[in-house]
Amino acid sequence: KNQVEQSPQSLIILEGKNCTLQCNYTVSPFSNLRWYKQDTGRGPVSLTIMTFSENTKSNGRYTATLDADTKQSSLHITASQLSDSASYICVVSDRGSTLGRLYFGRGTQLTVWP
Amino acid sequence: EADIYQTPRYLVIGTGKKITLECSQTMGHDKMYWYQQDPGMELHLIHYSYGVNSTEKGDLSSESTVSRIRTEHFPLTLESARPSHTSQYLCASSEPSSGTGGVNEQFFGPGTRLTVL
Repeated sequence: KNQVEQSPQSLIILEGKNCTLQCNYTVSPFSNLRWYKQDTGRGPVSLTIMTFSENTKSNGRYTATLDADTKQSSLHITASQLSDSASYICVVSDRGSTLGRLYFGRGTQLTVWP
Repeated sequence: EADIYQTPRYLVIGTGKKITLECSQTMGHDKMYWYQQDPGMELHLIHYSYGVNSTEKGDLSSESTVSRIRTEHFPLTLESARPSHTSQYLCASSEPSSGTGGVNEQFFGPGTRLTVL
């Protein structure tokens, strides 16, 4: 069964600190993995997208890694800011259909305190 | 910034009412999607469309219906709303992926938070 599991479920850190969020998946055949940021009451916004051949990608203070062999990904946030408080969702796409089927994790709820 | 719009943003209605959630995008994308999301849970695909006059049901069974008469417009309708329909509804659109290995980035609207009393 194609699944995406994220950990931790929630995380509280102080402003300025770093943190790492984890994602494990069983989706096959794999096409790409993306991390989204979803603010409360808003739609998800894409942070990074990685294909099979990429093992790291950065977007400002966000750095995602991908190990396609172990089917694991992480999202590292550097020097956190209050505006980083949001849910971070790991999404994996398969390449078995023309739709580009997406499998969503439940997200990690990050809270940054001043 | 993705140009995909949803209205209303919030809706509180009584049981039995007919409602339509609007979704429009100005990016000329062929593919459009409707997702349902409950608090703390993953997004579930309920409807999608490959283009005009194309609509398909997603993975999660839904009593809602959709239509795609114009490329930019993908409304979702509930003929008789019930409390079990209370949820957040997210619309998305994407460009055609370049082959089965291509990236199919989806752009999401802000969502409609529906509450049925």
